[in-house]
Amino acid sequence: DAGITQSPRHKVTETGTPVTLRCHQTENHRYMYWYRQDPGHGLRLIHYSYGVKDTDKGEVSDGYSVSRSKTEDFLLTLESATSSQTSVYFCAISDGTGSGNTIYFGEGSWLTVV
Amino acid sequence: AQRVTQPEKLLSVFKGAPVELKCNYSYSGSPELFWYVQYSRQRLQLLLRHISRESIKGFTADLNKGETSFHLKKPFAQEEDSAMYYCALKGSNYKLTFGKGTLLTVNP
Repeated sequence: DAGITQSPRHKVTETGTPVTLRCHQTENHRYMYWYRQDPGHGLRLIHYSYGVKDTDKGEVSDGYSVSRSKTEDFLLTLESATSSQTSVYFCAISDGTGSGNTIYFGEGSWLTVV
Repeated sequence: AQRVTQPEKLLSVFKGAPVELKCNYSYSGSPELFWYVQYSRQRLQLLLRHISRESIKGFTADLNKGETSFHLKKPFAQEEDSAMYYCALKGSNYKLTFGKGTLLTVNP
């Protein structure tokens, strides 16, 4: 398995509070992604990064921000958590866009907003 | 825009029966197609990618550009194959777009 660690793995938080999820990789891969997984929706891309300080929005970016100050860490922040953000969040990494390059996933972070 | 469609949310078969999980895609360029599998509450694992044309755990998938499909097949399903299966497409950019998934249940 690729060296991807997500923290925390489980969190319960109250509506309106800020939450930060961390993705840490030991593979020195350039590309990092945050997805959310919800029943009936599959995996949807929130934000992604194509290098240090280089990030862009995915298809469901509203209410989320990200930061990548160093290659190995990609942070996902919910500025003011809402119940609709209760989900499982997966981080993923890839070393490039060339033919055959594969995206590998972390173990997931279960977030419940009450 | 790139899109992946998995028409079946649920698929139930008996052990030893053939199984086919359908995947259709929409993409204007030359796509890379993948199948990922997720066992209960675990991370997604790469199962197959069309470029390598390999067979993993008895599963195969062929890219049909004419029908824009990448169906996953296995001739004899096993109980341990029960899992959620996701088809995914990677375009010329670095995004991976997923279908909504098919939950496969293999009954004894």
